[in-house]
Amino acid sequence: DAGVIQSPRHEVTEMGQEVTLRCKPISGHNSLFWYRQTMMRGLELLIYFNNNVPIDDSGMPEDRFSAKMPNASFSTLKIQPSEPRDSAVYFCASSFGTGVREQYFGPGTRLTVT
Amino acid sequence: SQQGEEDPQALSIQEGENATMNCSYKTSINNLQWYRQNSGRGLVHLILIRSNEREKHSGRLRVTLDTSKKSSSLLITASRAADTASYFCATDEGNKLVFGAGTILRVKS
Repeated sequence: DAGVIQSPRHEVTEMGQEVTLRCKPISGHNSLFWYRQTMMRGLELLIYFNNNVPIDDSGMPEDRFSAKMPNASFSTLKIQPSEPRDSAVYFCASSFGTGVREQYFGPGTRLTVT
Repeated sequence: SQQGEEDPQALSIQEGENATMNCSYKTSINNLQWYRQNSGRGLVHLILIRSNEREKHSGRLRVTLDTSKKSSSLLITASRAADTASYFCATDEGNKLVFGAGTILRVKS
């Protein structure tokens, strides 16, 4: 079975540009999570969806960040405009069931904003 | 916010030795999970222990949970070079997981 799929794996962009990260969760999973990982702040939850509905976006750093989940098999995280401090590895994860369960992580997107 | 804090921050051992990592947390939990992250990869779920469990095993992994001390430990027995990775504990806070800063384990062959 395919795991969580993320694209692109690497993204290098200039400050001010729009960045879109994509995620395909594991088929049948009903929760999807976006995380950001940096050396300074560790792994931070940005937003999570349950049954395609955003449940908690309190981790989204500012209005420049937005996330959508138009259907059960696809989600995007958009940064507009991007800034150098957004440089990080962004992970998507999915899980199945209710409550806090084990999460399955994608390989991540390494974003570099110059 | 980080609920769990791992100790030590880094650990270096010889192949064949046991590795023990500890995690402390602040608030009451329903379950605690351990994850592994190899360099440049996503996190991989290792084991979940519920608040009413005290110990759990999975292969060479042994996890203990002491809710009175708000702490957990992960023991990897007979370590291998392939166990070299970062290990994170994660606790449930509301309806989400909160990860600690992790322990970097290096197993020398």
